[in-house]
Amino acid sequence: DIQMTQSPSTLSASVGDTVTITCRASRSVRTWLAWYQQKPGKAPSLLIYQASNLESGVPSRFSGSGSGTEFTLTISSLQPDDVATYYCQQYNTWTFGQGTRVEIK
Amino acid sequence: EVQLVESGGGLVQPGGSLRLSCAASGFTFDDYAMHWVRQAPGKGLEWVSGITWNSGETHYADSVKGRFTVSRDNAKESLFLQINSLRGEDTALYYCAKDTNSGTYYHFDLWGRGTLVTVSS
Repeated sequence: DIQMTQSPSTLSASVGDTVTITCRASRSVRTWLAWYQQKPGKAPSLLIYQASNLESGVPSRFSGSGSGTEFTLTISSLQPDDVATYYCQQYNTWTFGQGTRVEIK
Repeated sequence: EVQLVESGGGLVQPGGSLRLSCAASGFTFDDYAMHWVRQAPGKGLEWVSGITWNSGETHYADSVKGRFTVSRDNAKESLFLQINSLRGEDTALYYCAKDTNSGTYYHFDLWGRGTLVTVSS
């Protein structure tokens, strides 16, 4: 099975900072990767699909890149509303990464 | 309104069974594959099962294979998950999620709010 590993597990940054989350796959998933945001007490919501495509309605400060086994989610100019846990998911066998919690410093 | 609403969760003893339901509205249900994803308390997301638009293919995580059965009724715009032989590690919030494709699984663009399953004696 394909394992997805995210880093870091938690990050703390200031409002306005640029933050980057990394997701690594145990073998190539080409660009079959999505990113989800889960705010506290809420269901997940889709941010990025096919590694770099922004879901409709998602702020442009979110961006994704990568292919094969290494992917990144970048939040430019972090906002208080971005406090959440972020998950990557590969859609070969649909496994999720373990999540990265983003906090405001 | 475009939404998914799960129901059927509850407290069940180890070894027991439950049938979860997900009612869809606001989109053409039989155009899309559907999934169940669960989240144990304080833990991350775990994909559980998926089903193609016409029930032609179903898939399961290894952790639930042989105990869980996914099905759908397109006429009633509903998705189901029959969960048997429940274990403590099945305790979780179970989400219903809509795929963006019909016959091959891609990413999930609509999620319900979840239904809680608690396995305890």
